[in-house]
Amino acid sequence: GEDVEQSLFLSVREGDSSVINCTYTDSSSTYLYWYKQEPGAGLQLLTYIFSNMDMKQDQRLTVLLNKKDKHLSLRIADTQTGDSAIYFCAESNSNDYKLSFGAGTTVTVRA
Amino acid sequence: KAGVTQTPRYLIKTRGQQVTLSCSPISGHRSVSWYQQTPGQGLQFLFEYFSETQRNKGNFPGRFSGRQFSNSRSEMNVSTLELGDSALYLCASSSQNTQYFGPGTRLTVL
Repeated sequence: GEDVEQSLFLSVREGDSSVINCTYTDSSSTYLYWYKQEPGAGLQLLTYIFSNMDMKQDQRLTVLLNKKDKHLSLRIADTQTGDSAIYFCAESNSNDYKLSFGAGTTVTVRA
Repeated sequence: KAGVTQTPRYLIKTRGQQVTLSCSPISGHRSVSWYQQTPGQGLQFLFEYFSETQRNKGNFPGRFSGRQFSNSRSEMNVSTLELGDSALYLCASSSQNTQYFGPGTRLTVL
């Protein structure tokens, strides 16, 4: 079955870059996503990347995909206090819309 | 476009009762998926509906069921509630492999 792993915690100073890492095992993964969850809220889609890409940039967010190593990362430039949240990596394949999630990385931004 | 809406936002039930949660997808989206989020198990897929048909189902007991209506709105039902069913239930509306989540329904079972 699918397995997605993430480190559980990241502490970063305001203004620095944050890098959140994720590994997955399903070689048929076609779509890889990053979601953000703030306390008491649902999941906000931040960005996604198709497996035939190796990089995607969207304003302060940069996603890097190493398909050979099944490694995905999310870089947040100029991290702000509003970026404090839990970040989930997720994958799905082209056969269905079922998402498999990692456990989430809690990002704490300190002044 | 309005986002995904879920009702109710909070619910308190007792063991043995049953509960129905509702989800209205983004206009034009025909796929609705449901997920359960708990501190211990994280985010787990329950089921997905497309055009009123269940296309995929996760590993949950038969007490968990769902349906989708012709306007794409979806409901999920949990019968004979157990304490372990306390969770945040999230609905996602999908278009072209991109899933957008609602705010969730927080269910507490006492």
